Formats: sequence, C-alpha cells, structure tokens
Amino acid sequence: GAVVSQHPSRVICKSGTSVKIECRSLDFQATTMFWYRQFPKKSLMLMATSNEGSKATYEQGVEKDKFLINHASLTLSTLTVTSAHPEDSSFYICSASEGGPYEQYFGPGTRLTVT
Amino acid sequence: AQKVTQAQTEISVVEKEDVTLDCVYETRDTTYYLFWYKQPPSGELVFLIRRNSFDEQNEISGRYSWNFQKSTSSFNFTITASQVVDSAVYFCALIEYNFNKFYFGSGTKLNVKP
Repeated sequence: GAVVSQHPSRVICKSGTSVKIECRSLDFQATTMFWYRQFPKKSLMLMATSNEGSKATYEQGVEKDKFLINHASLTLSTLTVTSAHPEDSSFYICSASEGGPYEQYFGPGTRLTVT
Repeated sequence: AQKVTQAQTEISVVEKEDVTLDCVYETRDTTYYLFWYKQPPSGELVFLIRRNSFDEQNEISGRYSWNFQKSTSSFNFTITASQVVDSAVYFCALIEYNFNKFYFGSGTKLNVKP
C-alpha cells in the first residue's frame, strides 16, 4: 500500500523559533498533499491543501504567514510553523493523494511541543 | 452544521462484548465517500474502510462490520467480540465529491477492558 512518512515524529522547540515538518510520499507521486492539526482529544481539522508547484489553499481561520506550506516536488511537502508559541503545540498530520481526495494516505503525525 | 456526527464521545466495554459505534452524516451531494479510521494512542491513523455513496451493501471484515444506510444517513461500525487491542479513538469521515476535502467526526474513544 501507499506509504507516507513524516519527519520528525516529535519535536520540542522554544517559543519564538520556527520548526519545519516534512511529509513524504515514499512509493507514489502525490499531486496533492493535505495538512491537518489535531488538538488533544479532538478531531482532525484541515489546515491547508497544497498542489505540487502551486500555492497552498488555506482553510478559513488558518494564518498562512504562520503556517508556511511548500509542495516543491511530487513527493515532498513541508509545513513550517513560524515564530512558534505554546498554543501552536499540537499533533500535525499530513496526507497525500495521487488522484482524487478520496484516495488520501495519512502520515504517522508529528507531535509539536512549544515551550 | 456538523457534516459528520459521532454522538458517542466515549464507550467502555468488557472484552468479548460487541460494540457499535454510530456515525451520522449530512450532505447534499449524491456522490460522496464515507470512511472509518482507527487512531491508537500512538496517533497514527489506521484506515479501516471506504464506502462510496452508490454502494449500500454492508461489509464484514473479520470481527468488523459496517452498516451503511442512506435512508438514515448513517454509517455505523460494529466490532464483534471486542478485544483490548481494539481500544482506540475511532473516526468517521466524509468526502464530498465536489468539495475535495475530508470532514471528520469528533471521534469515539473505545475502551475495552480485560
């Protein structure tokens, strides 16, 4: 089956610093990648959708200058949390699709803790 | 309005009991897809099933079964003879063909006690 990896799996950073999370499709070309955020004991909320080579489309209420998304290749998308604050602490999950959105494959997630 | 409702926040059962997780969805699209995912404590989402709106057949996979009823907009998930390893949060989700994005329910935490 299709495999999506995320790196790092856990990261702790200090308030005010930026942190980058990578999402890779290992055995397929992902024309579209999605980034989700999950607060503790809550559901997944879509943050943005990115298509290779074009700007990401952000969901309402998600600050695009705060959460920079780059989808530079068909196998890699990155999410950079800029000037992180404790309230950005969360579980971030990416997914990748090579066709329709109903064929999304999820990564294992990255737990971000901002101290 | 919530597109996917999982009214059960948390369910506790004793091992070997059967348990049904409810999912009610809302959409005006005629073409859509419904999913169930399992999220163990590790956090990784485990895909369980995908159903399209034109296939109302119930499905059984081992101890798991799904009941899709368009008349009541429900897609319920039953675990037969539950095991401790079934303890996890289960999410029901919907993708509408014309809107290109997942809508997740709020999840049901299942605790299976030995």
